[in-house]
Amino acid sequence: DSGVTQTPKHLITATGQRVTLRCSPRSGDLSVYWYQQSLDQGLQFLIQYYNGEERAKGNILERFSAQQFPDLHSELNLSSLELGDSALYFCASSETGTGSSPLHFGNGTRLTVT
Amino acid sequence: GENVEQHPSTLSVQEGDSAVIKCTYSDSASNYFPWYKQELGKGPQLIIDIRSNVGEKKDQRIAVTLNKTAKHFSLHITETQPEDSAVYFCAAIPPSGSARQLTFGSGTQLTVLP
Repeated sequence: DSGVTQTPKHLITATGQRVTLRCSPRSGDLSVYWYQQSLDQGLQFLIQYYNGEERAKGNILERFSAQQFPDLHSELNLSSLELGDSALYFCASSETGTGSSPLHFGNGTRLTVT
Repeated sequence: GENVEQHPSTLSVQEGDSAVIKCTYSDSASNYFPWYKQELGKGPQLIIDIRSNVGEKKDQRIAVTLNKTAKHFSLHITETQPEDSAVYFCAAIPPSGSARQLTFGSGTQLTVLP
């Protein structure tokens, strides 16, 4: 058990809808990362927060947004959903935001857009 | 930014044999190289990592080697067991710059045949 909690585990929704994915980092970790994993794209970095502040952005679409709250949990908001957004979304946390401290992943949210 | 290539994409070995997965990276400044194991329905789990000031690291049946000159690193699993069956990802991160995020390889599906 990595100590990173993601909810919900599964999400099925229709095109055009909006969903929110939630992540609670490991106790003591200040940095949260969001990754998208689809069959043909591997693990794609979306965005990173450190202690409530956005630290880095990857290939995150404008329809997607995220935030990290004072209690350090994070939410990833996906809007105007398209079929191609169907994927596994992982949250990871690390003690620092330096990138070379180990990342600990949650078990993901499987999003299916119909 | 960093680019990581991983080979092979699939690997089948007999139980008890060794398995080797290889990765190459593009940014010679990269200095941290973790390996993750992803079992079905779970998030990637860190199994071993190596930093650029070390050429080899071992943890029981798992070892990682790094060749900075050739910019490649490898994961070696000895005496494989059925529970080693999973997808393995390598990753690399450069020490500075806006792209200072883990870049993952495309993954290797390892199957250990009983």
